[in-house]
Amino acid sequence: DAGVTQSPTHLIKTRGQQVTLRCSPISGHKSVSWYQQVLGQGPQFIFQYYEKEERGRGNFPDRFSARQFPNYSSELNVNALLLGDSALYLCASSLGLLAGISTDTQYFGPGTRLTVL
Amino acid sequence: SQQGEEDPQALSIQEGENATMNCSYKTSINNLQWYRQNSGRGLVHLILIRSNEREKHSGRLRVTLDTSKKSSSLLITASRAADTASYFCATDATRDDKIIFGKGTRLHILP
Repeated sequence: DAGVTQSPTHLIKTRGQQVTLRCSPISGHKSVSWYQQVLGQGPQFIFQYYEKEERGRGNFPDRFSARQFPNYSSELNVNALLLGDSALYLCASSLGLLAGISTDTQYFGPGTRLTVL
Repeated sequence: SQQGEEDPQALSIQEGENATMNCSYKTSINNLQWYRQNSGRGLVHLILIRSNEREKHSGRLRVTLDTSKKSSSLLITASRAADTASYFCATDATRDDKIIFGKGTRLHILP
């Protein structure tokens, strides 16, 4: 079975532009989470979607938005890009909602490297 | 803010030696997970330990959890060159539904 896939692999944008990143979860997984990883740091949680609904949000501005489609794939949108948005954006999928006593494993995609100039 | 803090930030050891990394966190958790990341690529899940567990093994990996000290350790025995990577702990805090990662330990296995 295919793992989590993300597109594009790399992306270069300029300040003020908008970007859309895409993620396809493992077949059968209903939850998708997005993370931002700045160089030298650990991943920072942005969103979790489960069954097409937002179920968690990290401390990111409203410029960041996401959605999940009926086939459980997801898009992350970032508007009005800033230099500080340059990072590796990781998508992870899991069978169920990551909450409470859940012990579901997250499976990560290879990430999209976004560079903002 | 980051929940977990790994220690040390970087570690270099000879191949065949054991590597120990520590993670401290701030709030009560449901579970704690360890991940590996090679060269800025996607993370690979290594092991999950629940808050009511004290120790867990998986192959050459041994994880301990001390909830009274809010700390965990990851031991990799008989290290190999392929173990060179960054290792992150991630916690699922009881107070909210977010997975919070630490800053990671960069492990380098010397031949």
